[in-house]
Amino acid sequence: SQQGEEDPQALSIQEGENATMNCSYKTSINNLQWYRQNSGRGLVHLILIRSNEREKHSGRLRVTLDTSKKSSSLLITASRAADTASYFCATADRGSTLGRLYFGRGTQLTVWP
Amino acid sequence: DAMVIQNPRYQVTQFGKPVTLSCSQTLNHNVMYWYQQKSSQAPKLLFHYYDKDFNNEADTPDNFQSRRPNTSFCFLDIRSPGLGDAAMYLCATSSAGTGFSNQPQHFGDGTRLSIL
Repeated sequence: SQQGEEDPQALSIQEGENATMNCSYKTSINNLQWYRQNSGRGLVHLILIRSNEREKHSGRLRVTLDTSKKSSSLLITASRAADTASYFCATADRGSTLGRLYFGRGTQLTVWP
Repeated sequence: DAMVIQNPRYQVTQFGKPVTLSCSQTLNHNVMYWYQQKSSQAPKLLFHYYDKDFNNEADTPDNFQSRRPNTSFCFLDIRSPGLGDAAMYLCATSSAGTGFSNQPQHFGDGTRLSIL
């Protein structure tokens, strides 16, 4: 399968704590993207990191990419109850000209007030 | 402001009765995608349009068809829905330009399809 794999499948933390989610993939990629999905809603793009980048920040989000290990991590700092959602990584294969993304199964994050 | 709109949000149909799901976008993006997402699973790409060019995934059943009459609208037709087709169907768009695969995708809120 070309899908990414998120780890852990579920994560439960208290407000104010940091949440770290990991993603592993199998192919050579052009970029890796992280999306959030609230229950019963569509996916919302969070951050895109290119294969030649190692780290990227956006507000409380920090994404790292290690292409030698074919892995990425998403860190959410100072989490809030509103961060409760499923988080998916998605990879765009190197050489793909069709914009196709391969999604993992996601990590379900629950942040307790 | 909603940019990718899917209608209806919930659809119930009978086993074997054709159903059409719709998606519209105000982003003027030239690429539109349809995904199927079952409970606690990854979104699975069914097919996508690059302008009017249709690209079917190899493992998408023939039961699933799509139409894109213009830039703004795209439809998913399920000719004879089976119980296994109950899922959330997500529409997404992206802008194809330099570095096609470096563009994020913009999703609608999906249509949840139930089969009786």
